[in-house]
Formats: sequence, C-alpha cells, structure tokens
Amino acid sequence: AQSVTQPDIHITVSEGASLELRCNYSYGATPYLFWYVQSPGQGLQLLLKYFSGDTLVQGIKGFEAEFKRSQSSFNLRKPSVHWSDAAEYFCAVAKTGGTSYGKLTFGQGTILTVHP
Amino acid sequence: NAGVTQTPKFQVLKTGQSMTLQCAQDMNHEYMSWYRQDPGMGLRLIHYSVGAGITDQGEVPNGYNVSRSTTEDFPLRLLSAAPSQTSVYFCASAKGEPYEQYFGPGTRLTVT
Repeated sequence: AQSVTQPDIHITVSEGASLELRCNYSYGATPYLFWYVQSPGQGLQLLLKYFSGDTLVQGIKGFEAEFKRSQSSFNLRKPSVHWSDAAEYFCAVAKTGGTSYGKLTFGQGTILTVHP
Repeated sequence: NAGVTQTPKFQVLKTGQSMTLQCAQDMNHEYMSWYRQDPGMGLRLIHYSVGAGITDQGEVPNGYNVSRSTTEDFPLRLLSAAPSQTSVYFCASAKGEPYEQYFGPGTRLTVT
C-alpha cells in the first residue's frame, strides 16, 4: 500500500522568507501527486498537482512543487511567504491506473505559522 | 455550479444515535468518496463509489454505511454513533482518471 510522509508537523517562517514543505511517498510506480491547503475551519483547496510531464509544476497563490522520482519526493515551495499563507498543508498521492479510482492517501499535514 | 455540497455543517450526537451526512455534487462526476479528518492523521478514506449502485470500502469503513442511488448524491450513514467517530467529514467527487478530486466544505461531528 502506498504511504505519504510529511516529516515536519509544524513550520514557522517570517513573512517574506522562502518556504519549502517536504513530502515523501512510498509507491511502486509514479503516482499522481497533489498538494492541498486548508485554512482553519475550512475545506481543502487544491494548490497544485502532478500527473506526468514536466517535473516542476506551478500552482495557485505562487506555489510550485518539484517531483523527484529518485527521491520519491514532491516538495512544495514558495519564494516569499505572505501572512495569508498560514494554514495546514497536505500532500496526497493516488495510484495511477483506471482501477485505482483516484483513492487518495494523505500525509499527516504540516501546519505553517507566519510571523510578521 | 455549486460544486460539492455537504449538510449539515455541524452536528452533535449522543452515543448510540444514528444520522446521515449528506453529500451532493452537480458536476456529473462518476467518482465520489468520503474521508474523515483527525488531528495529526491527515484524511483517511472511509468509503467510495465509482458510479450509481457501486460502492466499496476504504481504509476506515467500520461503523459507516453508504449507498449511491443517483450520480449526484452519496450519503454517509452512522447507524450507532460512537465517540471515536468524532471527526470532520469531507465528501469529494472526481470525473475520471487522473481523478482530480473536488472537496466539499466538511461536516464537523461530535459524539458525546
């Protein structure tokens, strides 16, 4: 079974600083990869996704992520964090192939705090 | 389009009570699913459906029932609520492979 690890439970950065959130997955092939963001008391919003092709993907709100097959990683980055980026971030994977039906396996989440 | 809608937003139950969490989507998506979110555990799949009349279990199905009589609706039933089912529940839907999923706003359930 696939698994997802987000090693950092809580990260604190200063506004304007760069950000990298780590995500490692365990799966026998290249999965579909997703990053979601959840503001307190809210639902999940898709930041970006990787299905195939270019390993550097751009998302909303200035986020990007890079898929590294050799490291089984899909780290999320942002060059300059804004106070409004404070939220919880989830990495998720889904098996490829029609019979997987896109069932998502989520990481434990990383809570981002932004200091002014 | 309203997307994925869930009702109610909040619910408090006593142990042993039953209830149904409602989920509907207006995007004509074939695939629908239910997840629960618990602190420090991310989201875990409860049940999913690949079309009307077809459902299957996910990672944590015990204590929950589902049915899918129409493409639009996918209710989640708790037959006898337990405190361990205190959680936030999210419904999601997707069209087809690669199954990019759209999430509803969630239902916060407390079982006392």
